[in-house]
Amino acid sequence: DAKTTQPPSMDCAEGRAANLPCNHSTISGNEYVYWYRQIHSQGPQYIIHGLKNNETNEMASLIITEDRKSSTLILPHATLRDTAVYYCIVGSGNTPLVFGKGTRLSVIA
Amino acid sequence: NAGVTQTPKFQVLKTGQSMTLQCAQDMNHEYMSWYRQDPGMGLRLIHYSVGAGITDQGEVPNGYNVSRSTTEDFPLRLLSAAPSQTSVYFCASSYLGGLSYNSPLHFGNGTRLTVT
Repeated sequence: DAKTTQPPSMDCAEGRAANLPCNHSTISGNEYVYWYRQIHSQGPQYIIHGLKNNETNEMASLIITEDRKSSTLILPHATLRDTAVYYCIVGSGNTPLVFGKGTRLSVIA
Repeated sequence: NAGVTQTPKFQVLKTGQSMTLQCAQDMNHEYMSWYRQDPGMGLRLIHYSVGAGITDQGEVPNGYNVSRSTTEDFPLRLLSAAPSQTSVYFCASSYLGGLSYNSPLHFGNGTRLTVT
């Protein structure tokens, strides 16, 4: 079973920030938090990952709480092309990543 | 740089037939894996490999066979296809980093399989 809990769906207005939450209360000390997204029927695409510090790249920002039991993926200016299913996953070392059902984000014009 | 290449893109099989889904990567990744995705569901891990000659089972391995004779290739074999194996199959690869693992998975574009 997936080690994370995400809302099944969210809406966001185009141009606004999309904040996608994820709970991972059983995360262990050496596990990373990964975010992927899947647009339509394509293969999932890596977005960002972090261990305990907040991270930012050209696609998104990842905010991890101090106790590491939850995190938020932020898409700063959502566009229609960001409509996708977003997966939050925890994992480490050689352990295969287990995907849950994710959050279906709909960006609305 | 092709990344992860899956063939075929589409396949229709009759119940009981066997076939091999191909996956190849050109990034010299040690880790490779197969997932299946059913409609409206997340991805479920079938088999994975951490290097040539090493494979292991994931969440849903029954009815599938794998081997890893080279770093580049990780074929998935359906031994006797069943309608329950109708799904989209994704192959993924990454570097390995031990406990400092932080290498993202790279996915192929999938093989859409229908078993009638």
